[in-house]
Amino acid sequence: GENVEQHPSTLSVQEGDSAVIKCTYSDSASNYFPWYKQELGKRPQLIIDIRSNVGEKKDQRIAVTLNKTAKHFSLHITETQPEDSAVYFCAASLRDSSYKLIFGSGTRLLVRP
Amino acid sequence: DGGITQSPKYLFRKEGQNVTLSCEQNLNHDAMYWYRQDPGQGLRLIYYSQIVNDFQKGDIAEGYSVSREKKESFPLTVTSAQKNPTAFYLCASSIRRGEQETQYFGPGTRLLVL
Repeated sequence: GENVEQHPSTLSVQEGDSAVIKCTYSDSASNYFPWYKQELGKRPQLIIDIRSNVGEKKDQRIAVTLNKTAKHFSLHITETQPEDSAVYFCAASLRDSSYKLIFGSGTRLLVRP
Repeated sequence: DGGITQSPKYLFRKEGQNVTLSCEQNLNHDAMYWYRQDPGQGLRLIYYSQIVNDFQKGDIAEGYSVSREKKESFPLTVTSAQKNPTAFYLCASSIRRGEQETQYFGPGTRLLVL
């Protein structure tokens, strides 16, 4: 079945620097890749997603890139701010009738003021 | 995701007791999901339902049961067979756009064992 690996597990950056989180997936048929942000004790919230027919997508300071050949996708956050501190999860959607999401193990991002 | 509600926010279970977690959505979403999240861990799928009166096991269904009698509701019962139920439980629902389904999460229920 599909497996999603996420790295790093923790990431500490200085405010204003960029942060990059990487995920790899195993099922080449996966075609939808969302990213969620989860603050402490809160629900995961969708921040950006990308389909397999697109290589890159941007939304203000957040961007996601997808390399289908290598089966990996990355989240890029530029000009980081303290409120970006949270746990970020990547996911991949199985391209079967269930459309289940398989989640990575999460990256704890700390932005130091 | 504001249209997905979960109750209660905190739930305490005694040994041998079954407890039921509520999940309701008013978004007219067809699919609903239950995930378990342990401290510092990712999300693991317990059960999911694509349509009313139908549901499938996820990766960690043992010790749990669900029902889907109404489109808006997908309650999860944690049975006494689940020996380590302490966790944060998240319900999600999804809408299909093209070929992908975007999942939105409820606020979660934190279950603790007394």
